[in-house]
Amino acid sequence: TQLLEQSPQFLSIQEGENLTVYCNSSSVFSSLQWYRQEPGEGPVLLVTVVTGGEVKKLKRLTFQFGDARKDSSLHITAAQPGDTGLYLCAGDYNQGGKLIFGQGTELSVKP
Amino acid sequence: EPEVTQTPSHQVTQMGQEVILRCVPISNHLYFYWYRQILGQKVEFLVSFYNNEISEKSEIFDDQFSVERPDGSNFTLKIRSTKLEDSAMYFCASSPAAVGYGYTFGSGTRLTVV
Repeated sequence: TQLLEQSPQFLSIQEGENLTVYCNSSSVFSSLQWYRQEPGEGPVLLVTVVTGGEVKKLKRLTFQFGDARKDSSLHITAAQPGDTGLYLCAGDYNQGGKLIFGQGTELSVKP
Repeated sequence: EPEVTQTPSHQVTQMGQEVILRCVPISNHLYFYWYRQILGQKVEFLVSFYNNEISEKSEIFDDQFSVERPDGSNFTLKIRSTKLEDSAMYFCASSPAAVGYGYTFGSGTRLTVV
């Protein structure tokens, strides 16, 4: 059974601080996706990473895929209150079947 | 921006009743999925559908569940005889390819079984 461990589960920071969220597994991913989910809504795709060592940037968000494709991180620079929300990582282990989701990181950015 | 549309947004049903959750995936997508999220828990995979057949299903997706793509645009999830533990948010998602594109999720149907 594949498991995807996401940490931390909760994060409360001040506006302007940096933060990193981690996603780890003992299994190799075909691809890994990061989503953001608002209460009562579906997850919204932020990025997909496919190649080991890949780094993608989305404004102040930097996503990294580990060289061995077993881990990933999301780094937010100079967090803003608008970044508040639930961030989910999800791994695809078998190329197009199911996504395994992490338990999520609830981020709160205080002004 | 193309969307995945789900209806209804909320459904309350009596235990033992059948429910059909409906989804309209993005028109040029080829892969379709149903996921569910019980309140406070992880998003869980139910089933994937490609080329008019189920490509993978989870242990949750037992004989009480079925999926259908009846007309080339709609994608439905049927629960034949609902149980209390089926209460959850159900999300439909679609993707243009198997790897590398990520999914577009709908806003979900909140199913409450009483």
